[in-house]
Amino acid sequence: EAGVTQSPTHLIKTRGQQATLRCSPISGHTSVYWYQQALGLGLQFLLWYDEGEERNRGNFPPRFSGRQFPNYSSELNVNALELEDSALYLCASSKGTSYSYNEQFFGPGTRLTVL
Amino acid sequence: AQSVTQLGSHVSVSEGALVLLRCNYSSSVPPYLFWYVQYPNQGLQLLLKYTTGATLVKGINGFEAEFKKSETSFHLTKPSAHMSDAAEYFCAVRKETSGSRLTFGEGTQLTVNP
Repeated sequence: EAGVTQSPTHLIKTRGQQATLRCSPISGHTSVYWYQQALGLGLQFLLWYDEGEERNRGNFPPRFSGRQFPNYSSELNVNALELEDSALYLCASSKGTSYSYNEQFFGPGTRLTVL
Repeated sequence: AQSVTQLGSHVSVSEGALVLLRCNYSSSVPPYLFWYVQYPNQGLQLLLKYTTGATLVKGINGFEAEFKKSETSFHLTKPSAHMSDAAEYFCAVRKETSGSRLTFGEGTQLTVNP
């Protein structure tokens, strides 16, 4: 069974640009989560999508946005990039909310560098 | 608000020695608790989890953790460290009311010396 996949592996942008990160969940999983792992800030929850809808959002500005497609894959968009957006962005997937316990499986991450 | 505290950002042990990584949580309701491991340049891998039931949880690679409600702790242990255990370890908590988000501790970097 294929795990969670993310693309690209690395992404280099300059300040003010936009970045798009992609995530494909494990087959059968309908929930996708995004986390940011920035140096010195630890792992922070960004967004949660389930069945195509945004279910929860962490404490991030609106320039962090995303969506989930009908095939449950997801995209994270970061607009007006700032230097402090440089981080490893991790995607996780799980079975949907109808399950009483839905373990999250993580992808390898996308390393975003903002110059 | 729930939070997770990992005591010790760096832990160093000798190969064959006991590994003990500490995690305390604050939560007003019994949470789900997890330990993840992250190897360099990789994502997170679930080591073990506590949801309900038995408070001593066994995970992969010989790790185990005990949920102690009275101490609000979920410490991770392994009787004998191996060189391949060198990695960063994260404790995480999830409350049902938090919409499935995981709240992570700061992480503990484990070094295993030969």
